Amino acid sequence: SQQGEEDPQALSIQEGENATMNCSYKTSINNLQWYRQNSGRGLVHLILIRSNEREKHSGRLRVTLDTSKKSSSLLITASRAADTASYFCATANSGGSNYKLTFGKGTLLTVNP
Amino acid sequence: NAGVMQNPRHLVRRRGQEARLRCSPMKGHSHVYWYRQLPEEGLKFMVYLQKENIIDESGMPKERFSAEFPKEGPSILRIQQVVRGDSAAYFCASSSVGDSHEQFFGPGTRLTVL
Repeated sequence: SQQGEEDPQALSIQEGENATMNCSYKTSINNLQWYRQNSGRGLVHLILIRSNEREKHSGRLRVTLDTSKKSSSLLITASRAADTASYFCATANSGGSNYKLTFGKGTLLTVNP
Repeated sequence: NAGVMQNPRHLVRRRGQEARLRCSPMKGHSHVYWYRQLPEEGLKFMVYLQKENIIDESGMPKERFSAEFPKEGPSILRIQQVVRGDSAAYFCASSSVGDSHEQFFGPGTRLTVL
C-alpha cells in the first residue's frame, strides 16, 4: 500500500447518515490533512491534525489520529447531498522535507438525497 | 485577497507540442508547489520553488519537464514535446513559509494531450 491510502475507495450513503473514511500511512509524520475535491474541481482544505494530537473537530467533521497504528479517520456527521465529493488524506513527513504533501487515491463519497 | 490563480483552466495540446501552465500565488506568498493528479489518482508532488530558486524537484520527470518562479510574474510549469501520458490535472499551491501547514491550492489546469 502507498503512503496516505484511504479506504473505502467508494462509499454511498443516505442523507443524514454519518460517513467514515480511513487513511493509513507508512512513515513518521509531522501532520496529516484531509481535503475535499468536487468532481473536476480544485482541492478544499478541511482539517489538519498534528502528530501530537489525537482528535480534532471542525463543524460536522471529526478527525482522529492514531500514530501507533499509523492511521487516521474522517467522520462526517449528518451528511448532506452537498458533501458528495472525493476525500483525500495527505501526510507531511517529519524531517527536512515536511513541505511535501503525500496524497492517497481518495475515497469517493456519494450522499443520496 | 485573491486565492491561488492558475491559467489556463483547460489546455489541449497535440502530441509533440509544448504546454505552459501558469500559477500566481496568493499575495504575500513566496513559496510555490506543483502537484500532478492523474485520472483516478491522488495528487503527486512534483516541485517546490521559492522566488528564483528550485528547492526540491524530486517529483519532476527527468526529461521534458521544467519549472521556474521568476522574481516577477507567475510560476511556470513547462512541458515540452507532450505525450498522451502527460494528460492530467496540474495543481499549484502556495504558502508564506516553506511548510505543509499553510499550503493553499489553486483550481488546477487540466491538460489534455490528443
